[in-house]
Amino acid sequence: SQTIHQWPATLVQPVGSPLSLECTVEGTSNPNLYWYRQAAGRGLQLLFYSVGIGQISSEVPQNLSASRPQDRQFILSSKKLLLSDSGFYLCAWSQIAGGPEYEQYFGPGTRLTVT
Amino acid sequence: TQLLEQSPQFLSIQEGENLTVYCNSSSVFSSLQWYRQEPGEGPVLLVTVVTGGEVKKLKRLTFQFGDARKDSSLHITAAQPGDTGLYLCAGVIGGFKTIFGAGTRLFVKA
Repeated sequence: SQTIHQWPATLVQPVGSPLSLECTVEGTSNPNLYWYRQAAGRGLQLLFYSVGIGQISSEVPQNLSASRPQDRQFILSSKKLLLSDSGFYLCAWSQIAGGPEYEQYFGPGTRLTVT
Repeated sequence: TQLLEQSPQFLSIQEGENLTVYCNSSSVFSSLQWYRQEPGEGPVLLVTVVTGGEVKKLKRLTFQFGDARKDSSLHITAAQPGDTGLYLCAGVIGGFKTIFGAGTRLFVKA
């Protein structure tokens, strides 16, 4: 069965510090990978998605970046955090092919607080 | 800009009551998913609907996809405290790209 891991679970960082959040998927090959940010109790904002190694698409201009160094590894980074970067960050994967469903499966999330 | 509007945003009901949550858009979706999320956790997939007019049932939950594949509803019969959570709808467009609604926060009181 497939599993998705995210770490760290919680993070408190000062403004201006760098960020690195990691996501890994097990039990599947060539997944689509996604990074979302969620404001408290609200919907999900798509930040980045990737259809393969080194292939990253950005949905929202910001000071965040993403990388996919390996097939099942997705990293979210920032060189200098802003207060507005605080939020709940979710990684998700979906099958790259197999019909219109494209169901997404989410990791446990990382709660980021920028102080 | 593609939007997926959910209503109501917040719902507080007594155990045993019925409720319906709506998800509407001007966009046509190839499929639509409903997720349920607990505080501090990632969303969990409940169901996917693909065909216009499709109805799926998951125990006390009934999901319907609109004929034009632009809207969907989630009906819960005899709600229980365990149904409490954030319900999110998500529409798939342009292949694998998915847009999410803002969510409906449901609180079921015992």
